[in-house]
Amino acid sequence: DTAVSQTPKYLVTQMGNDKSIKCEQNLGHDTMYWYKQDSKKFLKIMFSYNNKELIINETVPNRFSPKSPDKAHLNLHINSLELGDSAVYFCASSQTRRGTGLAGGYNEQFFGPGTRLTVL
Amino acid sequence: AQSVTQLGSHVSVSEGALVLLRCNYSSSVPPYLFWYVQYPNQGLQLLLKYTSAATLVKGINGFEAEFKKSETSFHLTKPSAHMSDAAEYFCAVSAPGSQGNLIFGKGTKLSVKP
Repeated sequence: DTAVSQTPKYLVTQMGNDKSIKCEQNLGHDTMYWYKQDSKKFLKIMFSYNNKELIINETVPNRFSPKSPDKAHLNLHINSLELGDSAVYFCASSQTRRGTGLAGGYNEQFFGPGTRLTVL
Repeated sequence: AQSVTQLGSHVSVSEGALVLLRCNYSSSVPPYLFWYVQYPNQGLQLLLKYTSAATLVKGINGFEAEFKKSETSFHLTKPSAHMSDAAEYFCAVSAPGSQGNLIFGKGTKLSVKP
């Protein structure tokens, strides 16, 4: 059973198109994240949701819009794709530990396999 | 604010040799520290984490790391490299109140020669 899954694994599209990446976790976690890994392997957080509520929203163009229909899903929609959006996008999830609140900061994050987005 | 510096973007060792991957952090509060491994074309997998308990942390696959506050370091070691250890390794830091925001280093690619 895959703990954190993403679809599609590969996505090739033209500039200007709109695309979505889906993420699902079956771990029962309450927090989910999106990360972007660039061509130099640098990883940076984009968003995180806790119980469907947006809690981290880093400086990301508003062409990127996350949506969390429920605790187990966090999708990423990208409008008007640009060449610079080409990257690998990782979804992750974690469980807030009792007594720590979301401020714990040390909850282990489980990562999905990634979606390689190529914008031509 | 937190940050992580990984010294050496590429480390090459012979099979059976000691693996040492360096990580230094900067944090205004006591940090939580993590090492993740990424095999080619895969997601990240947690190797080990430091969360203010024992300073010597043992992880999976024979890896361990030692938190040294005086040196602001959290270097990853393994006594004997195996071919299957070849991968990209990321050090990451988060802090209380960070809401789980992981700050990653730029990664170190480990190559293992037969």
